[in-house]
Amino acid sequence: DLVMTQTPLSLSVTPGQPASISCKSSQSLLYSDGKTYIYWYLQKPGQSPQLLIYEVSNRFSGVPDRFSGSGSGTDFTLKISRVEAEDVGVYYCMQSIQLPWTFGQGTKVEIK
Amino acid sequence: QVQLQESGPGLVKPSETLSLTCTVSGASVSSGSYQWSWIRQPPGKGLEWIGYIYYSESTNYNPSLKSRVTISVDTSKNQFSLKLSSVTAADTAVYFCARTDRPYYFDSWGQGKLVTVSS
Repeated sequence: DLVMTQTPLSLSVTPGQPASISCKSSQSLLYSDGKTYIYWYLQKPGQSPQLLIYEVSNRFSGVPDRFSGSGSGTDFTLKISRVEAEDVGVYYCMQSIQLPWTFGQGTKVEIK
Repeated sequence: QVQLQESGPGLVKPSETLSLTCTVSGASVSSGSYQWSWIRQPPGKGLEWIGYIYYSESTNYNPSLKSRVTISVDTSKNQFSLKLSSVTAADTAVYFCARTDRPYYFDSWGQGKLVTVSS
């Protein structure tokens, strides 16, 4: 299986400060169609995951512009420009270039 | 707006079959534009994709579960279902159903159903 490795596994952030999460894949996520099949989800406490970013850097409908994604090949980053209280939860990266689709271990973000 | 809702028993005995149904509203499981997936999350742990079904009833399963999993669709009820056989305590998890857009991401999720495997 394609392995997705996230760092750090937990993050404590002061409101208004930036946060960054790394996701590295064991193989390139660039497909022959030119798209890169990496996605970011946020699972808020007690809720189901919600899609934040698709194909590296595209914000899903309704996602605030303080969230951004970047990267290529096997190295990717999710950034929150100014963390707000509502951003707490566990962030997951996911790949769908290869079956079985796999997730990173998750990064827990809390507010200081 | 699409909504998904999981239903089924919350307690299953070891060696028996776990059965869950996802009822979809606001979208059609017959739509050729989407696939319909199951994902699970053991308590306090991460996410594991189980498999998906397409309206044509073509399926794809996670090889780690393939021998025990069946996903089916009922277009007349706008539902899709999960069966997981020979369950053990390791199958205790919250089970989510989700709509899968192309090229393959989950854009809408159900609220999740906790299934405990215990005698």
